[in-house]
Amino acid sequence: AQKVTQAQTEISVVEKEDVTLDCVYETRDTTYYLFWYKQPPSGELVFLIRRNSFDEQNEISGRYSWNFQKSTSSFNFTITASQVVDSAVYFCALSEGSYNYGQNFVFGPGTRLSVLP
Amino acid sequence: EAGVAQSPRYKIIEKRQSVAFWCNPISGHATLYWYQQILGQGPKLLIQFQNNGVVDDSQLPKDRFSAERLKGVDSTLKIQPAKLEDSAVYLCASSPVGAGGSGANVLTFGAGSRLTVL
Repeated sequence: AQKVTQAQTEISVVEKEDVTLDCVYETRDTTYYLFWYKQPPSGELVFLIRRNSFDEQNEISGRYSWNFQKSTSSFNFTITASQVVDSAVYFCALSEGSYNYGQNFVFGPGTRLSVLP
Repeated sequence: EAGVAQSPRYKIIEKRQSVAFWCNPISGHATLYWYQQILGQGPKLLIQFQNNGVVDDSQLPKDRFSAERLKGVDSTLKIQPAKLEDSAVYLCASSPVGAGGSGANVLTFGAGSRLTVL
């Protein structure tokens, strides 16, 4: 069965600090996809990144970077030089393809990030 | 492109009353999902439709929850009768249908419907 763990429930940092959000997943499939979503106070989940299980290259997008390590089943998310606007709940998610169901998509419990001015 | 529309945004009811939530997905998205998000938790899948057929409702409390997507476009989620523990945000999401077996599709979410049961 698929499972996503985000051990950090809440993190507080001061603006301009770097912060890493951890994500550990469990799956028996060899083909799967990992996602990060952001949920700001407005409540809408916003897609940030998708990574497939065959691509372990790290990715950087502006102040955001992602580190995927299959050996440790982790897909961690780092925000460099954090800003107050980064304050939100961040969810890691795992998706497995299923021929019958199309897609099994499971979220972790989320990490609440507070960036203080 | 218009996003996923949900209504109402907020609803307060007393226990044992009924409530219905509506969702209109992104045009052309064949797959529609309803998630329940209890405060402080991650979203939990209630039901997944592909076009107008149910592909996964294993976590839907069928004694009180029902959902339909009659014409394969918009969808309604109903709770009857509501319990205190149903207080949550109900999120609708949609995605395009991928190739068979693909798990790659990005889910696009609506703003959610916040339910408070007193």
